[in-house]
Order: sequence, then C-alpha cells, then structure tokens
Amino acid sequence: DAKTTQPPSMDCAEGRAANLPCNHSTISGNEYVYWYRQIHSQGPQYIIHGLKNNETNEMASLIITEDRKSSTLILPHATLRDTAVYYCIVRGSGNTGKLIFGQGTTLQVKP
Amino acid sequence: GAVVSQHPSWVICKSGTSVKIECRSLDFQATTMFWYRQFPKQSLMLMATSNEGSKATYEQGVEKDKFLINHASLTLSTLTVTSAHPEDSSFYICSARRDGNTEAFFGQGTRLTVV
Repeated sequence: DAKTTQPPSMDCAEGRAANLPCNHSTISGNEYVYWYRQIHSQGPQYIIHGLKNNETNEMASLIITEDRKSSTLILPHATLRDTAVYYCIVRGSGNTGKLIFGQGTTLQVKP
Repeated sequence: GAVVSQHPSWVICKSGTSVKIECRSLDFQATTMFWYRQFPKQSLMLMATSNEGSKATYEQGVEKDKFLINHASLTLSTLTVTSAHPEDSSFYICSARRDGNTEAFFGQGTRLTVV
C-alpha cells in the first residue's frame, strides 16, 4: 500500500472550513484514499473514502486531484468537536487490503 | 455507520496472567477483522489481520504465541494477551470490515494496564 504524507498539525477557527491535505504520490490505480479521525482515547471514526472522483457525505468532502497524487479533506464548518487526529490512508481493494496508519494531522479547532 | 463493540473498555491485570478482549460487529457480518495497539502519543500499529474461520496473519515483530487471535464467527473476534507484562500495557483497538471493498469500522478500544 502506498505511503501518505500529512502535516503534523493544523489550526482552524470554529465555523470556518478546515482543509486537510494529504500527499500520496506513489498511489496505484486500484488504491483508494480513506480518511479516519481519532478523538482522544477513542477508536478511529470513518469519515469518507474515494478512488478518483470527488466525494461528499454528511461529514465531509474529499477532493482528489486528477493525477491522484494528493487529496484534501474538507470539513465545511468546523466545530470544537472536530478537534482530533485525522488520518489519510491509502488502501488497495480486496480482502488483503490493510489500513496502515501514519502519524496523521492533529487538527485543533479554536473558538 | 456500522457498529463495532469491544469488551471490556478497560482492564487491569496482574503480571503473568492472561487477558481476553472481545470484538463484535453488532449489525453486520465481518469477513475480516483487524487488531491494533496504540501507545501514548503514537499512531495505531497494526498487529494482525484475521479472516473468519482461518488463522490470523500477524505483522512483522508481533509474537503470535503471545497475542492469540480467534475469529470463530462472522461477528466475533477475540484477542488474548498471554502472560501479560507491564510493557504490554497499551490501548488495543479492533476493526471490522464486511468485505474487501467496504470501509472498516473501529471499536471504542480497550485500555489494558498490567501491574
């Protein structure tokens, strides 16, 4: 599975959009981009995933560049409860695909 | 999203004893389950992958005789930490996936403290 690179930390003002970048320059054609977040002392929470098209759900939007070498997770209106560590993970399809966590981005939403 | 439940949420045990942690998928059948451990201020580290009815596949450096994994049904996997020692104290988290093309969901984690 391809490796990802994320900034270690980011700040965002409450109510503003939080844009979290992720580089995955070695991604291959059948690998998906997954985003999870972990609030302190809890298990990770699934946010969204995509292959090549942009995706949106009730939590967030995922923008994947045309060459698929990078992506951005967008939380449209960040709240204090969105403070967490956000993980961008690239995973192949099929039963052998594993979720390997990197260091993630610690997002601090400030009042 | 789907619900994955771990039990217990926390456990304290004496050095040398064994501890069993359960992971259940409550509203779906999980063909694959994963076990992770997480030390303070660190990321999750994958320990092993288990498919229902077959032996678990352990990541490099994880002792399979110390961390026994059983995935006997499509809704239950267990992790047994045998002869636990203080260095095994950690946050253990399971994850379950319906099939290879769907997202995985995580349990709430189990805090193990070995004294």
